[in-house]
Amino acid sequence: GAGVSQSPSNKVTEKGKDVELRCDPISGHTALYWYRQRLGQGLEFLIYFQGNSAPDKSGLPSDRFSAERTGESVSTLTIQRTQQEDSAVYLCASSLGPGQNSPLHFGNGTRLTVT
Amino acid sequence: QKEVEQNSGPLSVPEGAIASLNCTYSDRGSQSFFWYRQYSGKSPELIMSIYSNGDKEDGRFTAQLNKASQYVSLLIRDSQPSDSATYLCAPNTGGFKTIFGAGTRLFVKA
Repeated sequence: GAGVSQSPSNKVTEKGKDVELRCDPISGHTALYWYRQRLGQGLEFLIYFQGNSAPDKSGLPSDRFSAERTGESVSTLTIQRTQQEDSAVYLCASSLGPGQNSPLHFGNGTRLTVT
Repeated sequence: QKEVEQNSGPLSVPEGAIASLNCTYSDRGSQSFFWYRQYSGKSPELIMSIYSNGDKEDGRFTAQLNKASQYVSLLIRDSQPSDSATYLCAPNTGGFKTIFGAGTRLFVKA
């Protein structure tokens, strides 16, 4: 596709339910990033994938959060037993691989509301 | 220690003025930087990249990089209300993990 695609664009869920967010990066981009942005706040790094290397999970806030990526394609971010503080916009971005000058290209985000 | 530091603002300038947005960074290995603009309710989008010391101009925008001082700036000339947004600077990590600063909120008053 032409850009980074995220789905769903909006998700409303009840506290305690699990949710799965999807990101389809730009073709050929080996790096993929997930960020969380709470209302009025900055971008909070969650996790980073680079090719087939082990992901950098250092930003995941708790063990309720996990993410997977199949090769250099689609990634899913899963939040288990959602809490109200998980309400935020979840942004995915992709870029070219190491050693290349490549900015991040962001998707439109998934707005998650936990009621 | 954060990779980049920005004044979160808000920075308010009148229409037609020059807006100056600043960013300091801690990693002396950072060689180049990107500036992103994020409108309220939207995703960040790239507006400028700078790969070497000095100035780079693109229309009303000028990016400045001073590696000795570990300082990056973005100047917006003839500011317009449509420039009102949050501006984020980030190092070019060459496809590696990227941490963003808080960003600077800019308001351009008509």
